Amino acid sequence: EPEVTQTPSHQVTQMGQEVILRCVPISNHLYFYWYRQILGQKVEFLVSFYNNEISEKSEIFDDQFSVERPDGSNFTLKIRSTKLEDSAMYFCASSAESRGETQYFGPGTRLLVL
Amino acid sequence: SQQGEEDPQALSIQEGENATMNCSYKTSINNLQWYRQNSGRGLVHLILIRSNEREKHSGRLRVTLDTSKKSSSLLITASRAADTASYFCATDTGRRALTFGSGTRLQVQP
Repeated sequence: EPEVTQTPSHQVTQMGQEVILRCVPISNHLYFYWYRQILGQKVEFLVSFYNNEISEKSEIFDDQFSVERPDGSNFTLKIRSTKLEDSAMYFCASSAESRGETQYFGPGTRLLVL
Repeated sequence: SQQGEEDPQALSIQEGENATMNCSYKTSINNLQWYRQNSGRGLVHLILIRSNEREKHSGRLRVTLDTSKKSSSLLITASRAADTASYFCATDTGRRALTFGSGTRLQVQP
C-alpha cells in the first residue's frame, strides 16, 4: 500500500540553525500538507500546498517557514532560524485530487531544538 | 471548547470489551476523520465519514455522525491490547486544513 515517507525520523539542531524536513507524498496525490504536534499537545495545521503554491497557511506558519516541491516527488519544509519552541513532531500528509478526501500522514520527524 | 474535542480524555478497558470515544465540534463540516496514534509515532487514518452519512463500519470500527448535535463517536468492538493508542478526531470544514481534537488515550489491558 502506498504511504507517505519522511526523513529524517529525528533531527537535533541548535537554536538559530536552519533545518529542512523532507517528505515524499503518495505518488498520485496532488495536495500536500505539513502539521506539527508539540509534545503532549494537539496536532496543528501549518500549511497546505497545491499546484506548486501555498493554498492555505496557519498563523504558526510565519516568515521563518517555507515549503517547496523541488522535484516531482519531494516536498520540503524549511525552518530558517529555529527557536526552542519549534521543537515538535512534524507530520507531512497528502491527499488525492479533490477537497474533502482522506489525508494520509507520514510517520513524522521529531525535531529537537537546543 | 474548540473544534474537534474528544471525550473521555483517557479510557482503560479489558481486552475483549468495547471502547467508545466521542468527538464534538462547533462548526459545520464536510467530513470527519478518525486517526490513531501509537505513542510517539505517526497518525494512522482509520475512517472518514462525510456529513451526509450517519454511520460507517470498517472491520471492528463503527463510526457514527450526528450533524444536528455536532458529534461523532468511534466504537471499537472486541478490543485487543494492540488497540492501545491515542485516538483523534479531525474535522474538515471545507478548508484544506484538518482541525484535530486533543485525543482519547485508550489503554487495553490484556
